[in-house]
Amino acid sequence: SQKIEQNSEALNIQEGKTATLTCNYTNYSPAYLQWYRQDPGRGPVFLLLIRENEKEKRKERLKVTFDTTLKQSLFHITASQPADSATYLCALDIMGQGGKLIFGQGTELSVKP
Amino acid sequence: DAGVIQSPRHEVTEMGQEVTLRCKPISGHDYLFWYRQTMMRGLELLIYFNNNVPIDDSGMPEDRFSAKMPNASFSTLKIQPSEPRDSAVYFCASSFQGANSPLHFGNGTRLTVT
Repeated sequence: SQKIEQNSEALNIQEGKTATLTCNYTNYSPAYLQWYRQDPGRGPVFLLLIRENEKEKRKERLKVTFDTTLKQSLFHITASQPADSATYLCALDIMGQGGKLIFGQGTELSVKP
Repeated sequence: DAGVIQSPRHEVTEMGQEVTLRCKPISGHDYLFWYRQTMMRGLELLIYFNNNVPIDDSGMPEDRFSAKMPNASFSTLKIQPSEPRDSAVYFCASSFQGANSPLHFGNGTRLTVT
């Protein structure tokens, strides 16, 4: 069956360190992979989109990689700050169904000062 | 740009009652999505529309759930009759060009069915 898995445990890191979050998937062949941030009581907010033919994408302190052979995406936040504390969700499109975007369960990140 | 607007923010109702959730997407967006979020199951796609037409409703849990999009600026998700297991946060999102572009989410409706 199709599955998207993110780090099941919450991630606790020290301010200034790099946070690395993992998104693994099985039985999908996504053309796009997206990462979102969600704060308590709010809807998810889009961060980055990476296409299947792109290995890496960067935006300020954020970096996303996409390995279609390993069926994995890594999401990095460098020089992390307490304000980066939130839940991070990865999402995949369902190939051939242009509108269908499926989300992982999310990883809760806590950055301690 | 006001973003995606959902109403109400909170809804508390008794089992058996009809519940209607409302969504106004961002102007110009041609895709609209309804998701449900719970601790146990995460963010689940219920249904999505393209140009006001329902494309995939395979995530709608059962016949008690229905969704409509009468025009490009309004959508509703109705539950009738509601049950305690429907308690969740319901999100509406819109996008331009579907899954290959960012989804813009509203802040959700927290539904509690007692």
